[in-house]
Amino acid sequence: DTGVSQDPRHKITKRGQNVTFRCDPISEHNRLYWYRQTLGQGPEFLTYFQNEAQLEKSRLLSDRFSAERPKGSFSTLEIQRTEQGDSAMYLCAVDSSLPETQYFGPGTRLLVL
Amino acid sequence: QKEVEQDPGPLSVPEGAIVSLNCTYSNSAFQYFMWYRQYSRKGPELLMYTYSSGNKEDGRFTAQVDKSSKYISLFIRDSQPSDSATYLCAMSAPFGDGQNFVFGPGTRLSVLP
Repeated sequence: DTGVSQDPRHKITKRGQNVTFRCDPISEHNRLYWYRQTLGQGPEFLTYFQNEAQLEKSRLLSDRFSAERPKGSFSTLEIQRTEQGDSAMYLCAVDSSLPETQYFGPGTRLLVL
Repeated sequence: QKEVEQDPGPLSVPEGAIVSLNCTYSNSAFQYFMWYRQYSRKGPELLMYTYSSGNKEDGRFTAQVDKSSKYISLFIRDSQPSDSATYLCAMSAPFGDGQNFVFGPGTRLSVLP
């Protein structure tokens, strides 16, 4: 148990719909990351929060994607007007007690039909 | 050239075999090196972490880093069927106020009883 929960675990939606995912670290973590992982690939960085401030965004994060971490604890990732290419596992990670390493949540698997 | 390359696999070995998993990288700024294990439909789980060149051992697992060659390896001794998973190498470098994490595409390992 890494102490990071994600909800929902699976989501099936139709193209054009909006979806929102949630990441809940059990304890306080300064840094929170979102990644996307497609089949046969490693996680690809999307965005990163230091407390409630969103400090970095990847080029992968188009304007249809938005992430928030309003109180510096849980975070949400929203995808608007979903496309089939958005189908992937969306992973949340937090910094661990080891320097510069991360603990991952179980992920949300998104399928866009 | 991708920033991090990993032996693609899949790799299939008999129980008890020694497994060698390898990654190469191009960015000499990477300072921290990690191996994650990912079971099917789960989030990555931190397995090994190292900072300097050399070997680090933890039970049946040994992580090896050669910064001069930009090459890292993970060795698994006495492999077990429960080791069957995808193994992801990851590395990080300072970026702004945080770290830039980059993952390899993963090697799928099957240990046959």
